[in-house]
Amino acid sequence: QQQVKQSPQSLIVQKGGISIINCAYENTAFDYFPWYQQFPGKGPALLIAIRPDVSEKKEGRFTISFNKSAKQFSLHIMDSQPGDSATYFCAAVTTSGTYKYIFGTGTRLKVLA
Amino acid sequence: NAGVTQTPKFRVLKTGQSMTLLCAQDMNHEYMYWYRQDPGMGLRLIHYSVGEGTTAKGEVPDGYNVSRLKKQNFLLGLESAAPSQTSVYFCASRDWETQYFGPGTRLLVL
Repeated sequence: QQQVKQSPQSLIVQKGGISIINCAYENTAFDYFPWYQQFPGKGPALLIAIRPDVSEKKEGRFTISFNKSAKQFSLHIMDSQPGDSATYFCAAVTTSGTYKYIFGTGTRLKVLA
Repeated sequence: NAGVTQTPKFRVLKTGQSMTLLCAQDMNHEYMYWYRQDPGMGLRLIHYSVGEGTTAKGEVPDGYNVSRLKKQNFLLGLESAAPSQTSVYFCASRDWETQYFGPGTRLLVL
């Protein structure tokens, strides 16, 4: 029940295309869903996050879509650029108590020039 | 403002040796976390701390110990290293909902 399932494991997209990464969770106690971006040799950094009271959040070219009934959320990268090539992790958090993050297994994105 | 720093950046150990990884943050955060990152397994929580003098077990605590004697520092110890502990270790501190990660320590246990 604590798992967060992320797919695909890897993704190759042409420059200008749309990258889509999906995550699914089971525990309905999760109430905060961030996405982290990690470049090689670096630590993950927060990219964008959403709470379940909204179905979509957009920041620039990055959009989170959230489906509470299906317990799924996804990251969409519009107009993908080579500089977006990185590993992306979704996470699910219960913000009461100790704020433990449950991370997905990651998606390695490569955007071809 | 250095954020979260980790030392060392890279280390090679022989099986059975011990070592301590140091994490420091200058953001005055109460919560700090230690994760390990392995291919295909994402980030798994080893131990965490909700404030100075406190520690708690995460998802994969076996073989590791931690201490939080000062608010800004969170130490991760390996008492007797095993090849299964070969990994990249990340420390993070939390401000409200955002975790800030350090650059990682790559550990190889032979």
